[in-house]
Amino acid sequence: GAVVSQHPSWVICKSGTSVKIECRSLDFQATTMFWYRQFPKQSLMLMATSNEGSKATYEQGVEKDKFLINHASLTLSTLTVTSAHPEDSSFYICSARGAGRATEAFFGQGTRLTVV
Amino acid sequence: SQQGEEDPQALSIQEGENATMNCSYKTSINNLQWYRQNSGRGLVHLILIRSNEREKHSGRLRVTLDTSKKSSSLLITASRAADTASYFCATVGFGNEKLTFGTGTRLTIIP
Repeated sequence: GAVVSQHPSWVICKSGTSVKIECRSLDFQATTMFWYRQFPKQSLMLMATSNEGSKATYEQGVEKDKFLINHASLTLSTLTVTSAHPEDSSFYICSARGAGRATEAFFGQGTRLTVV
Repeated sequence: SQQGEEDPQALSIQEGENATMNCSYKTSINNLQWYRQNSGRGLVHLILIRSNEREKHSGRLRVTLDTSKKSSSLLITASRAADTASYFCATVGFGNEKLTFGTGTRLTIIP
């Protein structure tokens, strides 16, 4: 299958700082990318959907000013957690999909964020 | 928000036995997908079944879909220790491209 690379795999930051997570599709063009958040032993909660070159669509309850998403090219999307707080500590996962609703999505390996 | 529920939440079986997981969803779908997640890792796509399909096979995996009951099942035959993971169903609806996940089943294979 196609490869999606997510970086970093883990990060520890201080409260009040910002953290950027990158998601790259290595061998296909990702027209749509998704960002998820996952709490321990729970399912994935969709945070936002982004299409290349346009603004991200955020799910209800997700603060767009706190979780900045940029999808500037067909192979790269970034999630920036701004002014991070301990409650933002979580596992963040991106996925990427090519054109067409029926195609499968490929997932990055996830980023474990710990805010201290 | 979750699209649906998975049943059971946790399942432990002996190696070699078959494992069955069920997924129910709430709204009409374009397709349903099953994913596996090893602890603390990303998700691996297992199989996709379209709304006009009723059954699909891939190696030791068998997926069924009943759109009238809004449910799907994943059967893993001849289980192996390496199958230990969490399994999630995810749906894609009409009019949007969102992949919405179920609550997941934690499968443990006992050697």
